[in-house]
Amino acid sequence: GAVVSQHPSRVICKSGTSVKIECRSLDFQATTMFWYRQFPKQSLMLMATSNEGSKATYEQGVEKDKFLINHASLTLSTLTVTSAHPEDSSFYICSARDDSVGAGRPFGPGTRLLVL
Amino acid sequence: GNSVTQMEGPVTLSEEAFLTINCTYTATGYPSLFWYVQYPGEGLQLLLKATKADDKGSNKGFEATYRKETTSFHLEKGSVQVSDSAVYFCALNYGGATNKLIFGTGTLLAVQP
Repeated sequence: GAVVSQHPSRVICKSGTSVKIECRSLDFQATTMFWYRQFPKQSLMLMATSNEGSKATYEQGVEKDKFLINHASLTLSTLTVTSAHPEDSSFYICSARDDSVGAGRPFGPGTRLLVL
Repeated sequence: GNSVTQMEGPVTLSEEAFLTINCTYTATGYPSLFWYVQYPGEGLQLLLKATKADDKGSNKGFEATYRKETTSFHLEKGSVQVSDSAVYFCALNYGGATNKLIFGTGTLLAVQP
């Protein structure tokens, strides 16, 4: 079946540094990928929709300069948290739309970010 | 706006007990409805879905029926197992050009032997 991977699985960084998270579709091409953020005991909140070859579409309230998204190929999207602060600590999850399975798109295992 | 409301957890059951996790939604139009499951340390997996009213989604002994009249999509299983312990998310897809998913807050299910 369609598999999505994320790297790294967890990262600890100092405040002020930037962190890049990769999302890959392993056995299918994805023109669209989605980035979510999940706070403890809360739901997944959609941050942005990543489109291959074009600019990402950000949800209201998400700073595009803070969360840089690059979807350079049909199998890779990256999320860069710039100048990270402790409040950016969270669980970041991506999913990729495989058109062959409709809207039930596969999700990655998530990346745990801890900013000290 | 579009939203999903789930019953709060955690839900603690004994093995072989009957499970119900309530989910209601608010949406314009006719969304598709989903249940996702997140096992400890893993990513979300699609459990089942229903795309129109009165459809019943089923998988691994779990069932949910799309009830338009009550705007509900409750998850049920007749006999839970310890291996069903996970977080369950109800979600809706309100379509459009980007096919966005809106999730409920998730319900933690703990099944004890």
